[in-house]
Amino acid sequence: KQEVTQIPAALSVPEGENLVLNCSFTDSAIYNLQWFRQDPGKGLTSLLLIQSSQREQTSGRLNASLDKSSGRSTLYIAASQPGDSATYLCAVRLGSSNTGKLIFGQGTTLQVKP
Amino acid sequence: EAGVTQFPSHSVIEKGQTVTLRCDPISGHDNLYWYRRVMGKEIKFLLHFVKESKQDESGMPNNRFLAERTGGTYSTLKVQPAELEDSGVYFCASSPEWWAGNTEAFFGQGTRLTVV
Repeated sequence: KQEVTQIPAALSVPEGENLVLNCSFTDSAIYNLQWFRQDPGKGLTSLLLIQSSQREQTSGRLNASLDKSSGRSTLYIAASQPGDSATYLCAVRLGSSNTGKLIFGQGTTLQVKP
Repeated sequence: EAGVTQFPSHSVIEKGQTVTLRCDPISGHDNLYWYRRVMGKEIKFLLHFVKESKQDESGMPNNRFLAERTGGTYSTLKVQPAELEDSGVYFCASSPEWWAGNTEAFFGQGTRLTVV
């Protein structure tokens, strides 16, 4: 059974700091991995999608890496800003079925202080 | 292009009542998913439609939940009768390919359901 874990559960940093959010999964047979952002009371915004054959994806100040063999992904945020404050969710799509369902971690709640 | 739209955004109902949630996926997306997040837990999969067919309903908690997608466009999720433990945020997502390939899932803003 695939399980996704995100560490830490919460993180508070001063503005300008670079930070890393961690995601681990128990079954390496994934199809892809997606990082989302959720603002309070809002829906999920897709940040980055990494295919199982890829090692990393970049978008602006965000960089996500994937190490399938070790069951890990990291989301690197450079030069953090108060507007980055949100909950960040990691989700994997199973590789062994064709349902396309996502398995989510519990998320990391980030606060960036001005 | 309009994103995934969910109605209502909030619903407060009494235990035993019926509630129907609606999801309008992105136009042209064959795949439609329902997920739920209950207090303190991670977001969990409920079911997956490909067009109007249920591809996977393994996450549906019990037979009080009924999902439909008539005509392969919008979907409804009915809870009847609602119980206290059904409270949570219900998310809908859609993606374009009929097969579960390397496509991105786009989520709606969610419906916050409170059963009192």
